[in-house]
Order: sequence, then structure tokens, then C-alpha cells
Amino acid sequence: ETGVTQSPTHLIKTRGQQVTLRCSSQSGHNTVSWYQQALGQGPQFIFQYYREEENGRGNFPPRFSGLQFPNYSSELNVNALELDDSALYLCASSETGKGGRAFFGQGTRLTVV
Amino acid sequence: DQQVKQNSPSLSVQEGRISILNCDYTNSMFDYFLWYKKYPAEGPTFLISISSIKDKNEDGRFTVFLNKSAKHLSLHIVPSQPGDSAVYFCAASPNSGGYQKVTFGTGTKLQVIP
Repeated sequence: ETGVTQSPTHLIKTRGQQVTLRCSSQSGHNTVSWYQQALGQGPQFIFQYYREEENGRGNFPPRFSGLQFPNYSSELNVNALELDDSALYLCASSETGKGGRAFFGQGTRLTVV
Repeated sequence: DQQVKQNSPSLSVQEGRISILNCDYTNSMFDYFLWYKKYPAEGPTFLISISSIKDKNEDGRFTVFLNKSAKHLSLHIVPSQPGDSAVYFCAASPNSGGYQKVTFGTGTKLQVIP
């Protein structure tokens, strides 16, 4: 059984650029959620995908978008990067009906300069 | 608006003693509560959860208590071990299935001193 893997682990981008982060879900999990964790804060829910459809979104602007693929892997895209987008981005996979119990990847550390 | 609050940013406990981590929430729609543990350079790891229909759930050394009227939950670790040193996040969800937007607190850093 493979765990949740994210790539890349670290990334530096310039303000105004676009970035794509990737996540491979744990085997058998059909739901993936993305979180942003700023320094000293808890993870903040960005959105969730279930069977390739977005089925929930937190308080993030439309320049944060995502995709889920038939194999349940997922991408997080952020356009027009801002300095405040610098954070740890976490992907979590879960099985529907498992009470929000999710398995997290190690995260991607994004730095916007 | 911080709907899940962990008011203690850090806690130090002697090995073998009890660690008590506290969490308060404000949203009455929260129905399911979880604790996650996070080591540096790793993602959070699920520890234990509790549904609002219960007031206690145990798993080995870890026990979570829920007081719905006070909108308060706590995690007890007995006995504490040095390997328990990590950041602990309290989290809450409006339901236990289906759409699962999970709201996290800001975390409490636990240090267990040998």
C-alpha cells in the first residue's frame, strides 16, 4: 500500500507566475483535499475533490484551482502568485464516509519571491 | 474568525506523566472531531477521533474527551513518551461522511522531557 506522495517538495517562484503542485493519493482513496499551511498556523482547507469533481471549497480566490484524475491523483494550480501564497501546501486523501480521517502527504514548500 | 482554537501554543511534560492538550470550538455545526500529530518535515498523521454522540474515545495511551455544552475537547496522553514530542492539531468537521471540510486549530507543540 503506497502512501500519499507530493511533488515537488520545495519550489521557488516569482510573484505573478503560475505554479502546479501534484499529489498521488493513497491506494483505494477516492477523495483528495488540499490545504495551505502558513508558518505558525494550522492547515487551511482550500478545496476537496471527489471522483474528479470539486465538492467543497474554502475561502480561497478563483486563482486557486484544481484537478482530480481518473486514477484519483490530483493537481493544485495557483495563478498570479502573490507573496502571501508562500506556505506549505498539503494534500490529503481519504475514503468517502471515513469521517474526515485523512492521510496527508509530506507537503510542498512554496516560496514566492 | 478562528472556529477551532488551541490557546496553548506549547506544552512541556515529564516523561511518564500525563499530557493534556485542549481545544475549543465555536461552530455548533461541528459534529466530528479529530486530533492529528505532526513531526517536522512530515505531513500531519491522524491520531484519534470522536463523534459528537460520544463524550469519550480511547485508543491505547490516547483518550479524547468531548464536552459539547462547553464546546471543548481535550486529548490526554498517558503515559507521555519522548516520541510523543510533536505539534498536535485539533480539527473539526460538520459531519463524519460525505463532504468533509475539516477546520484545523493552530496547533500545540508538545515537548516530552526524558
